[in-house]
Amino acid sequence: GEDVEQSLFLSVREGDSSVINCTYTDSSSTYLYWYKQEPGAGLQLLTYIFSNMDMKQDQRLTVLLNKKDKHLSLRIADTQTGDSAIYFCGTSYNTDKLIFGTGTRLQVFP
Amino acid sequence: EAGVTQFPSHSVIEKGQTVTLRCDPISGHDNLYWYRRVMGKEIKFLLHFVKESKQDESGMPNNRFLAERTGGTYSTLKVQPAELEDSGVYFCASSTGTSAYNEQFFGPGTRLTVL
Repeated sequence: GEDVEQSLFLSVREGDSSVINCTYTDSSSTYLYWYKQEPGAGLQLLTYIFSNMDMKQDQRLTVLLNKKDKHLSLRIADTQTGDSAIYFCGTSYNTDKLIFGTGTRLQVFP
Repeated sequence: EAGVTQFPSHSVIEKGQTVTLRCDPISGHDNLYWYRRVMGKEIKFLLHFVKESKQDESGMPNNRFLAERTGGTYSTLKVQPAELEDSGVYFCASSTGTSAYNEQFFGPGTRLTVL
């Protein structure tokens, strides 16, 4: 079945860049997502990329998609303490059910 | 505009008991999804409603889980009888439609603990 994998933890210093990586198995995925979950809150969509794109930039966020390797990454520039959260990579075929990874817990230290 | 709401936020029950989770989607959203995250694992899809109809229930673990969406508004997810492995966070999400890109908006989740 479909599978999405991501590392569990990432720790970065405030002001540095963070890069969270994700691999997926379903080549028919048409949308790829990054969601953010802060403590006690639901999942908030950060950004998404359509499968025919290879890059998308939105302020401090840069998403890179390597469709050949089925690899998705999220780069957060100038990481702040408010960026500390769990980041979930997700895929879907059209806008069907989402397939998520385990989430990467990003910890930002001063 | 109110977001997706879920009730209760936490529930602690004993094995064998029944629990009912509720989700109120964003008004006007025809699509409603249930997901579950077991401790430390991935968030897994449970099922998808379009209005009051079950579009896809392929993720439902077994027949102890019953989801309803009477009238196509709020939805309930009942677990009866609950088992230890049902513990986790249950998320609900809603979206307007599936013909084009439609963001799924998530609720805060219900944390279920089965003792």
